[in-house]
Amino acid sequence: SQQGEEDPQALSIQEGENATMNCSYKTSINNLQWYRQNSGRGLVHLILIRSNEREKHSGRLRVTLDTSKKSSSLLITASRAADTASYFCATEFYFGSGTKLNVKP
Amino acid sequence: EAGVAQSPRYKIIEKRQSVAFWCNPISGHATLYWYQQILGQGPKLLIQFQNNGVVDDSQLPKDRFSAERLKGVDSTLKIQPAKLEDSAVYLCASSFLGGRENEQFFGPGTRLTVL
Repeated sequence: SQQGEEDPQALSIQEGENATMNCSYKTSINNLQWYRQNSGRGLVHLILIRSNEREKHSGRLRVTLDTSKKSSSLLITASRAADTASYFCATEFYFGSGTKLNVKP
Repeated sequence: EAGVAQSPRYKIIEKRQSVAFWCNPISGHATLYWYQQILGQGPKLLIQFQNNGVVDDSQLPKDRFSAERLKGVDSTLKIQPAKLEDSAVYLCASSFLGGRENEQFFGPGTRLTVL
């Protein structure tokens, strides 16, 4: 399976802190994507990183990719209560089981 | 711009009954996807259409699930007969072109409960 698997399964932090989520996958990839899902806005695409890229930024999001270790990380800086959601990595069309992030105000 | 529309939003049926879900993708999007998301898990791709042709249905349980996209726009996903393990949220997504790098836009989903 090409599924990405996120770690940790759940993360609880205070507003203003940084949140880091990790993803591991099994096979070679062309790209890896991160998604956010909450009850208000459903599943939303956050960022795509290609296999020849090592790092990518989008606003408060920073994604890294290490193809030698078959892993990726998503860093959310200066978290807000509105960042409370589940975060998924996806390789091709295969999603992991997600990290549930709770940001406490 | 209108997003991906799905209906119904919720459905409760008994096992062995049939159910159908409808999806209207974003206008102009050639590629349409159906995903199944079981509680606590990530979405699982069931089928991908490019216009009205099937690109990938390798994870679709074809003995009970069927999907069509007759005119290359709207799509329906049907389950017949339903089993308890089909309880999940069924998500429809669309993308402009398809392929691995095209951003997918997801609808709100249909939550199915099979009793």
